[in-house]
Amino acid sequence: KAGVTQTPRYLIKTRGQQVTLSCSPISGHRSVSWYQQTPGQGLQFLFEYFSETQRNKGNFPGRFSGRQFSNSRSEMNVSTLELGDSALYLCASSSGVQNIQYFGAGTRLSVL
Amino acid sequence: GESVGLHLPTLSVQEGDNSIINCAYSNSASDYFIWYKQESGKGPQFIIDIRSNMDKRQGQRVTVLLNKTVKHLSLQIAATQPGDSAVYFCAENPRGSARQLTFGSGTQLTVLP
Repeated sequence: KAGVTQTPRYLIKTRGQQVTLSCSPISGHRSVSWYQQTPGQGLQFLFEYFSETQRNKGNFPGRFSGRQFSNSRSEMNVSTLELGDSALYLCASSSGVQNIQYFGAGTRLSVL
Repeated sequence: GESVGLHLPTLSVQEGDNSIINCAYSNSASDYFIWYKQESGKGPQFIIDIRSNMDKRQGQRVTVLLNKTVKHLSLQIAATQPGDSAVYFCAENPRGSARQLTFGSGTQLTVLP
């Protein structure tokens, strides 16, 4: 079974731009969560989607948004990028039965 | 998990020895705990999980111990191998928070030859 796939793997943007990251969960998984990882703050929860509905949201500004499609694929969008948004963005999927979240390799975003 | 910061705790062990990685969690409402391993350039990889109604759970070469009284979690790795070198994170899932995990700051494990 294929794992969680995130695209692109690397991204370079400039301040003020917006960016969209994509995540394809493990086949059959309906829950997709997003996390931001930085050296200073570690791994922080952004939001979680289940059956196209956002169920939970972390403490991030409204510039961070996401959505989930009917095939469970998810996207997250960051608008008006700031230097501090440079991070590894990780997507994780889980089935509705188990709590275990399986992570993708992440998208490394650099904001210049 | 504990507060995060710039400095990762580190642990160095000799190949073949046992490793013990500790973690303090903060939320007494957490009812599910999970350990992840993250190698450079990769996403976190699931190692083992435990629910709050258990004190101990064993996997292949790994054991997780949960002490709810002092809100402490530990991961024991038997016969540590070079491939075990990575950053290890504990994460907690508060009851009722769906799939929201709160991660600790991580421990860098280095296996010495």
